[in-house]
Amino acid sequence: GNSVTQMEGPVTLSEEAFLTINCTYTATGYPSLFWYVQYPGEGLQLLLKATKADDKGSNKGFEATYRKETTSFHLEKGSVQVSDSAVYFCALVLNDYKLSFGAGTTVTVRA
Amino acid sequence: KAGVTQTPRYLIKTRGQQVTLSCSPISGHRSVSWYQQTPGQGLQFLFEYFSETQRNKGNFPGRFSGRQFSNSRSEMNVSTLELGDSALYLCASSLEGTGGPGETQYFGPGTRLLVL
Repeated sequence: GNSVTQMEGPVTLSEEAFLTINCTYTATGYPSLFWYVQYPGEGLQLLLKATKADDKGSNKGFEATYRKETTSFHLEKGSVQVSDSAVYFCALVLNDYKLSFGAGTTVTVRA
Repeated sequence: KAGVTQTPRYLIKTRGQQVTLSCSPISGHRSVSWYQQTPGQGLQFLFEYFSETQRNKGNFPGRFSGRQFSNSRSEMNVSTLELGDSALYLCASSLEGTGGPGETQYFGPGTRLLVL
């Protein structure tokens, strides 16, 4: 079946540090890929998406590129802020109408 | 546009009871999905509805059921509650649910269910 594997963390960084969260997927076909973010006590918010190979999704300084050859969708941000502290989920959807999520990566940014 | 709304936001029940959770999708969205989030199992897909039809179902026991109304609002029901059903239940809506270009699932704030 379809699945997502992501770095579980937790990840602790200082403000202005570079953030990378690795995400790889297994799918029978060409899925759409997503990064969602969850702040404490809240639901999931879409951070960015990519729907085909070599697409780059970007939002709020975060970027991720859909790499078909390595089946990856790593999330990066060049300079994190305390407000970026959250749990980040990588996910995919194919033709079965459901999102398959990774386990989530907890990111804490210290001032 | 108003976002996805879920009611109630918090719920406390005892074992053996049943519970009904409600989800109102974004206006114009016809696909509604439900997910269970727990610390141990993460985010797990429960089911997806489109135009009042269930198109996919996750690996949950028959105690978990859902339905969708003609206005796209959805409810999920859990009967004979167990302690392990304590979780955050998230609802998401999208236009068609395909995940294709332009398709995104938007999540509500969730209903936190505690079973005692």
